[in-house]
Amino acid sequence: QKEVEQNSGPLSVPEGAIASLNCTYSDRVSQSFFWYRQYSGKSPELIMSIYSNGDKEDGRFTAQLNKASQYVSLLIRDSQPSDSATYLCAVNTGAGSYQLTFGKGTKLSVIP
Amino acid sequence: DGGITQSPKYLFRKEGQNVTLSCEQNLNHDAMYWYRQDPGQGLRLIYYSQIVNDFQKGDIAEGYSVSREKKESFPLTVTSAQKNPTAFYLCASRSTGQEGEAFFGQGTRLTVV
Repeated sequence: QKEVEQNSGPLSVPEGAIASLNCTYSDRVSQSFFWYRQYSGKSPELIMSIYSNGDKEDGRFTAQLNKASQYVSLLIRDSQPSDSATYLCAVNTGAGSYQLTFGKGTKLSVIP
Repeated sequence: DGGITQSPKYLFRKEGQNVTLSCEQNLNHDAMYWYRQDPGQGLRLIYYSQIVNDFQKGDIAEGYSVSREKKESFPLTVTSAQKNPTAFYLCASRSTGQEGEAFFGQGTRLTVV
């Protein structure tokens, strides 16, 4: 079974700090990686996608991918209380497949 | 408005009944997905479909069935064989290609009474 692992948290950071969320995956042929944010009782919202090794920045968010280490991370700069949510890592697993596998999510709390 | 519509938002099922959850998208996406989420848990894949008239089992397909007769629609039936169906069900769709991003409907909360 192809797995995606995340620390469940909760991860607590003070307002204005950098929050760092991590994800590892088991399927070496995975090529596409996504971060979603989910507020309690709501459906997930896409934050970012990343496909190549290195960093990808979008506003306060930076995704980092290292395929050799099978590791993807999300950094949130200048964290705000509104960033408090569960962050889900998703990986397109399987060569030639559209199967999208999610981690269990990391709960982030930003303390004012 | 383009998007993914799930209905109903809340659904109550008596033990032994089959129920069908609706998912419709007008994004012209080829791939569609059904996930189940239990409290405090991540998303577990039930079924996915990459193209009309074709679908694949996910990690927890037992007790569920799907059809994909139209590109826009991917209904999920929760059968009486699913012993613990109370959960939050999420439908997603995604454009062609592994770089396609998936978007979710608002979800259906199913409760067994």
